Amino acid sequence: GAGVSQSPRYKVAKRGQDVALRCDPISGHVSLFWYQQALGQGPEFLTYFQNEAQLDKSGLPSDRFFAERPEGSVSTLKIQRTQQEDSAVYLCASSLVASGGKDTQYFGPGTRLTVL
Amino acid sequence: GENVEQHPSTLSVQEGDSAVIKCTYSDSASNYFPWYKQELGKRPQLIIDIRSNVGEKKDQRIAVTLNKTAKHFSLHITETQPEDSAVYFCAATGGSYIPTFGRGTSLIVHP
Repeated sequence: GAGVSQSPRYKVAKRGQDVALRCDPISGHVSLFWYQQALGQGPEFLTYFQNEAQLDKSGLPSDRFFAERPEGSVSTLKIQRTQQEDSAVYLCASSLVASGGKDTQYFGPGTRLTVL
Repeated sequence: GENVEQHPSTLSVQEGDSAVIKCTYSDSASNYFPWYKQELGKRPQLIIDIRSNVGEKKDQRIAVTLNKTAKHFSLHITETQPEDSAVYFCAATGGSYIPTFGRGTSLIVHP
């Protein structure tokens, strides 16, 4: 079956631009995570959804970052007024059950964001 | 919050040798410990996981051991092959349901 997909795969933005990153989780998966992965580092948690409810957004670096999952499936991570330090790979992961990080997570291919 | 330390950051072995990667965690409430393999430019993929009610789990050439008392867990790969070359990440999940990842180990298997 189809895995987790993300779009765009690559995004180049000028400093100050807004960007929107999309995640299509595996159909029926309850939990959805967004992570930020800097070069040579492990994924860093940004935010967690259980269906349409955003249960944890403690990892979002600033109020320029916003995420939503309005219908409990597709999710969008929006970054306003991008800064150079936002350059990273943004990974989305979904899992079948509501316990989120305590079950197998299936990752998308990521969106590589470069802010010039 | 949880803190996960992973060592070594780079591991170079000859084909056929064993490789061991170690992680320590700080939150005694953590009870789920997955390991992910990430090839260059690819997505992380789960290769094995262990829950805190067991001490060891094996899957062919891969095994994971957990010491809850010492709060550390390890990934063991036997009979390494060039296709095992990748970055490996450990993670720990506790009561918050949020995984904390280690910084990764770059494994290089020389033919």
